[in-house]
Amino acid sequence: QSVLTQPPSASGTPGQRVTISCSGSSSNFGSYYIYWYQQFPGTAPKLLIYRSNQRPSGVPDRFSGSKSGTSASLSISGLRSEDEADYYCAAWDDSLRVFGGGTKLTVL
Amino acid sequence: QITLKESGPTLVKPTQTLTLTCTFSGFSLNTSRVAVGWIRQPPGEALECLALIYWNDDKRYSPSLQSRLTITKDTSKNQVVLTMTNMDPVDTATYYCAHSVYDFWSGYYFDYWGQGTLVTVSS
Repeated sequence: QSVLTQPPSASGTPGQRVTISCSGSSSNFGSYYIYWYQQFPGTAPKLLIYRSNQRPSGVPDRFSGSKSGTSASLSISGLRSEDEADYYCAAWDDSLRVFGGGTKLTVL
Repeated sequence: QITLKESGPTLVKPTQTLTLTCTFSGFSLNTSRVAVGWIRQPPGEALECLALIYWNDDKRYSPSLQSRLTITKDTSKNQVVLTMTNMDPVDTATYYCAHSVYDFWSGYYFDYWGQGTLVTVSS
């Protein structure tokens, strides 16, 4: 059972906008930024969003993040086939990193 | 350029102790507000943070696994070692090490990851 809650799956067609949610508690969301990672099968997670809504260099601006209270979301606009991957949210809780259960994004 | 690479056995028997080594380059674990962590991922399952070791040798462990884990660092070799005792088949997973930095409103977050190493626990 993961500390942060994500829907197990999401889907969309090319060009669509998809949003993945992540919820937590006041101990992890309350004062802290949320992070998002993208993971393709057989590879290590890659940092996608930091400080809730910032993109590392090289991440397309189609990816955006937001946070409000004990919920956060990752949005992908102009969905592409290469966006099909697993997405994990992460937060800081009691001096350790905690992750969501992951959302498998399928591009139909 | 920050890189990390995990090494260790690919197969361990139940009850044995697992020892994994993370060898890194491009940063120093003597640098303030830098850490290295271990994260695992069972096949088809989610990520789980196991342990963190900070630049000042402070350590944090997953509460559910704390009694079985030990994390140490050797800054002269640029290595971090994780040991996990009493291995069980449920510990079968890909084990990643990752570089971590401190942000006041984020805690320590992972930005660079190793490629991971699959460890299978089976007799």
